[in-house]
Amino acid sequence: DGGITQSPKYLFRKEGQNVTLSCEQNLNHDAMYWYRQDPGQGLRLIYYSQIVNDFQKGDIAEGYSVSREKKESFPLTVTSAQKNPTAFYLCASTTGGGETQYFGPGTRLLVL
Amino acid sequence: KNEVEQSPQNLTAQEGEFITINCSYSVGISALHWLQQHPGGGIVSLFMLSSGKKKHGRLIATINIQEKHSSLHITASHPRDSAVYICAVKIWTDKLIFGTGTRLQVFP
Repeated sequence: DGGITQSPKYLFRKEGQNVTLSCEQNLNHDAMYWYRQDPGQGLRLIYYSQIVNDFQKGDIAEGYSVSREKKESFPLTVTSAQKNPTAFYLCASTTGGGETQYFGPGTRLLVL
Repeated sequence: KNEVEQSPQNLTAQEGEFITINCSYSVGISALHWLQQHPGGGIVSLFMLSSGKKKHGRLIATINIQEKHSSLHITASHPRDSAVYICAVKIWTDKLIFGTGTRLQVFP
Protein backbone atom coordinates (compact mmCIF):
# COMPACT_ATOMS: atom_id res chain seq x y z
CA ASP A 1 0.00 0.00 0.00
CA GLY A 2 1.26 3.45 -0.88
CA GLY A 3 1.44 6.05 1.82
CA ILE A 4 3.47 8.13 4.22
CA THR A 5 5.00 6.78 7.39
CA GLN A 6 6.27 8.83 10.28
CA SER A 7 8.25 7.58 13.23
CA PRO A 8 8.24 7.53 16.10
CA LYS A 9 4.62 8.17 17.12
CA TYR A 10 5.80 9.78 20.37
CA LEU A 11 9.19 11.33 21.00
CA PHE A 12 10.65 12.77 24.16
CA ARG A 13 13.37 15.39 24.10
CA LYS A 14 15.64 16.43 26.89
CA GLU A 15 16.85 20.00 27.29
CA GLY A 16 19.65 20.81 24.87
CA GLN A 17 19.13 17.67 22.80
CA ASN A 18 18.64 17.43 19.05
CA VAL A 19 16.04 14.93 17.89
CA THR A 20 15.16 13.72 14.40
CA LEU A 21 11.69 12.88 13.15
CA SER A 22 11.45 10.45 10.29
CA CYS A 23 9.17 10.80 7.24
CA GLU A 24 9.13 8.27 4.42
CA GLN A 25 6.79 8.05 1.41
CA ASN A 26 6.41 5.42 -1.29
CA LEU A 27 4.01 7.46 -3.42
CA ASN A 28 6.75 8.64 -5.79
CA HIS A 29 5.84 12.22 -4.90
CA ASP A 30 8.27 15.00 -5.70
CA ALA A 31 7.19 17.50 -3.04
CA MET A 32 7.31 16.93 0.70
CA TYR A 33 6.35 19.17 3.61
CA TRP A 34 6.75 19.44 7.37
CA TYR A 35 4.04 21.11 9.45
CA ARG A 36 3.71 21.89 13.11
CA GLN A 37 0.32 21.83 14.85
CA ASP A 38 -0.31 23.55 18.18
CA PRO A 39 -3.61 23.61 20.08
CA GLY A 40 -5.96 26.30 18.80
CA GLN A 41 -3.78 27.10 15.79
CA GLY A 42 -3.79 26.04 12.20
CA LEU A 43 -0.99 23.93 10.79
CA ARG A 44 2.12 25.99 10.14
CA LEU A 45 4.74 25.18 7.53
CA ILE A 46 8.25 24.51 8.81
CA TYR A 47 10.12 23.40 5.68
CA TYR A 48 9.26 22.05 2.27
CA SER A 49 11.10 20.37 -0.56
CA GLN A 50 9.97 20.25 -4.16
CA ILE A 51 12.81 18.11 -5.44
CA VAL A 52 15.67 15.99 -4.17
CA ASN A 53 18.63 17.93 -2.76
CA ASP A 54 16.61 21.14 -2.53
CA PHE A 55 14.45 22.53 0.25
CA GLN A 56 12.97 25.85 1.30
CA LYS A 57 12.18 27.45 4.64
CA GLY A 58 8.56 27.77 5.59
CA ASP A 59 6.98 30.23 7.99
CA ILE A 60 8.55 28.88 11.20
CA ALA A 61 11.89 27.34 10.20
CA GLU A 62 13.97 28.71 13.09
CA GLY A 63 15.30 25.92 15.29
CA TYR A 64 14.65 23.22 12.70
CA SER A 65 16.71 21.63 9.93
CA VAL A 66 15.92 19.16 7.14
CA SER A 67 17.61 17.16 4.42
CA ARG A 68 16.33 15.63 1.20
CA GLU A 69 18.97 13.18 0.00
CA LYS A 70 16.42 10.72 -1.37
CA LYS A 71 13.05 11.26 -3.00
CA GLU A 72 11.37 8.99 -0.46
CA SER A 73 12.75 10.55 2.69
CA PHE A 74 12.49 14.00 4.32
CA PRO A 75 13.72 13.87 7.93
CA LEU A 76 13.21 16.82 10.26
CA THR A 77 15.68 17.64 13.03
CA VAL A 78 14.44 19.67 15.98
CA THR A 79 17.55 21.36 17.32
CA SER A 80 18.28 22.69 20.78
CA ALA A 81 17.73 26.17 19.35
CA GLN A 82 13.99 25.47 19.15
CA LYS A 83 12.91 26.68 22.57
CA ASN A 84 9.31 25.52 22.41
CA PRO A 85 9.36 22.21 20.54
CA THR A 86 6.35 20.56 22.20
CA ALA A 87 3.84 20.08 19.37
CA PHE A 88 2.34 17.61 16.92
CA TYR A 89 4.43 17.30 13.75
CA LEU A 90 2.92 16.25 10.45
CA CYS A 91 4.69 15.31 7.25
CA ALA A 92 2.92 15.53 3.91
CA SER A 93 3.67 14.92 0.26
CA THR A 94 2.18 15.80 -3.09
CA THR A 95 2.92 15.36 -6.74
CA GLY A 96 3.28 19.12 -6.88
CA GLY A 97 1.27 21.81 -8.59
CA GLY A 98 -1.12 22.18 -5.70
CA GLU A 99 -2.59 18.73 -5.93
CA THR A 100 -4.01 16.85 -2.97
CA GLN A 101 -1.59 16.60 -0.08
CA TYR A 102 -1.22 13.22 1.59
CA PHE A 103 -0.43 13.34 5.29
CA GLY A 104 1.46 10.99 7.54
CA PRO A 105 0.06 9.90 10.94
CA GLY A 106 2.15 12.47 12.82
CA THR A 107 4.71 12.50 15.62
CA ARG A 108 3.97 14.03 19.00
CA LEU A 109 7.09 15.61 20.50
CA LEU A 110 7.25 16.23 24.22
CA VAL A 111 9.97 17.90 26.25
CA LEU A 112 11.15 16.24 29.47
CA LYS B 1 -6.83 38.61 11.60
CA ASN B 2 -6.28 35.10 10.23
CA GLU B 3 -6.27 34.75 6.47
CA VAL B 4 -8.49 31.67 6.79
CA GLU B 5 -11.39 31.72 9.24
CA GLN B 6 -13.62 28.79 10.06
CA SER B 7 -16.94 28.72 11.86
CA PRO B 8 -18.10 27.40 14.13
CA GLN B 9 -15.07 26.38 16.19
CA ASN B 10 -17.04 23.63 17.89
CA LEU B 11 -20.19 21.86 16.77
CA THR B 12 -22.29 19.18 18.35
CA ALA B 13 -25.09 17.34 16.58
CA GLN B 14 -27.46 14.44 16.96
CA GLU B 15 -27.08 11.52 14.64
CA GLY B 16 -28.95 12.16 11.41
CA GLU B 17 -28.68 15.94 11.46
CA PHE B 18 -27.52 18.01 8.50
CA ILE B 19 -24.27 19.79 9.29
CA THR B 20 -22.63 22.83 7.75
CA ILE B 21 -19.11 24.07 8.40
CA ASN B 22 -18.02 27.39 6.93
CA CYS B 23 -14.68 28.72 5.71
CA SER B 24 -13.92 32.30 4.70
CA TYR B 25 -10.61 33.54 3.37
CA SER B 26 -9.12 36.91 2.60
CA VAL B 27 -6.38 36.10 0.07
CA GLY B 28 -6.34 35.18 -3.59
CA ILE B 29 -6.33 31.44 -4.00
CA SER B 30 -5.95 28.85 -6.70
CA ALA B 31 -7.68 26.05 -4.78
CA LEU B 32 -9.29 25.21 -1.47
CA HIS B 33 -8.92 21.97 0.48
CA TRP B 34 -11.13 20.38 3.08
CA LEU B 35 -9.33 17.99 5.39
CA GLN B 36 -10.51 15.67 8.17
CA GLN B 37 -8.37 15.07 11.25
CA HIS B 38 -9.22 12.03 13.34
CA PRO B 39 -8.79 11.94 17.13
CA GLY B 40 -5.48 10.09 16.75
CA GLY B 41 -4.12 12.99 14.71
CA GLY B 42 -4.04 11.53 11.21
CA ILE B 43 -5.29 13.84 8.45
CA VAL B 44 -7.21 12.77 5.37
CA SER B 45 -7.91 14.98 2.39
CA LEU B 46 -11.64 15.14 1.63
CA PHE B 47 -11.89 17.60 -1.23
CA MET B 48 -9.87 19.95 -3.34
CA LEU B 49 -11.93 22.45 -5.29
CA SER B 50 -11.42 25.64 -7.20
CA SER B 51 -15.00 26.31 -8.30
CA GLY B 52 -18.54 25.06 -7.92
CA LYS B 53 -19.40 21.98 -5.93
CA LYS B 54 -18.11 18.47 -5.27
CA LYS B 55 -19.87 15.52 -3.67
CA HIS B 56 -18.49 12.35 -2.18
CA GLY B 57 -20.93 10.09 -0.40
CA ARG B 58 -22.63 12.11 2.34
CA LEU B 59 -20.14 14.97 2.04
CA ILE B 60 -20.68 18.01 -0.15
CA ALA B 61 -18.26 20.91 -0.58
CA THR B 62 -19.07 24.19 -2.27
CA ILE B 63 -17.02 27.25 -3.03
CA ASN B 64 -17.94 30.79 -4.06
CA ILE B 65 -14.81 32.44 -5.42
CA GLN B 66 -16.37 35.92 -5.64
CA GLU B 67 -17.45 35.84 -2.00
CA LYS B 68 -14.27 34.03 -0.87
CA HIS B 69 -16.30 31.46 0.99
CA SER B 70 -16.61 27.70 1.10
CA SER B 71 -18.90 25.34 2.95
CA LEU B 72 -18.64 21.69 3.88
CA HIS B 73 -21.96 19.90 4.37
CA ILE B 74 -22.52 16.50 5.94
CA THR B 75 -25.90 14.90 5.32
CA ALA B 76 -27.34 12.28 7.67
CA SER B 77 -24.50 12.74 10.16
CA HIS B 78 -23.16 9.73 12.04
CA PRO B 79 -21.00 9.40 15.17
CA ARG B 80 -18.11 8.22 12.98
CA ASP B 81 -18.12 11.69 11.39
CA SER B 82 -16.82 13.07 14.69
CA ALA B 83 -13.49 14.70 13.89
CA VAL B 84 -11.84 18.05 13.31
CA TYR B 85 -12.53 19.49 9.88
CA ILE B 86 -9.87 21.80 8.50
CA CYS B 87 -10.10 24.25 5.63
CA ALA B 88 -6.87 25.15 3.80
CA VAL B 89 -6.30 27.45 0.86
CA LYS B 90 -3.58 27.22 -1.74
CA ILE B 91 -2.11 30.59 -2.59
CA TRP B 92 -0.10 31.33 -5.69
CA THR B 93 2.81 29.09 -4.69
CA ASP B 94 2.74 25.52 -3.49
CA LYS B 95 1.99 26.66 0.04
CA LEU B 96 -1.20 26.05 1.96
CA ILE B 97 -2.66 28.34 4.62
CA PHE B 98 -4.72 26.45 7.16
CA GLY B 99 -7.73 27.40 9.24
CA THR B 100 -7.80 26.44 12.91
CA GLY B 101 -10.38 23.73 12.36
CA THR B 102 -13.94 22.93 13.43
CA ARG B 103 -14.36 20.22 16.04
CA LEU B 104 -17.49 18.17 15.30
CA GLN B 105 -19.06 15.73 17.72
CA VAL B 106 -22.03 13.68 16.59
CA PHE B 107 -23.96 11.88 19.32
CA PRO B 108 -26.10 8.78 18.80
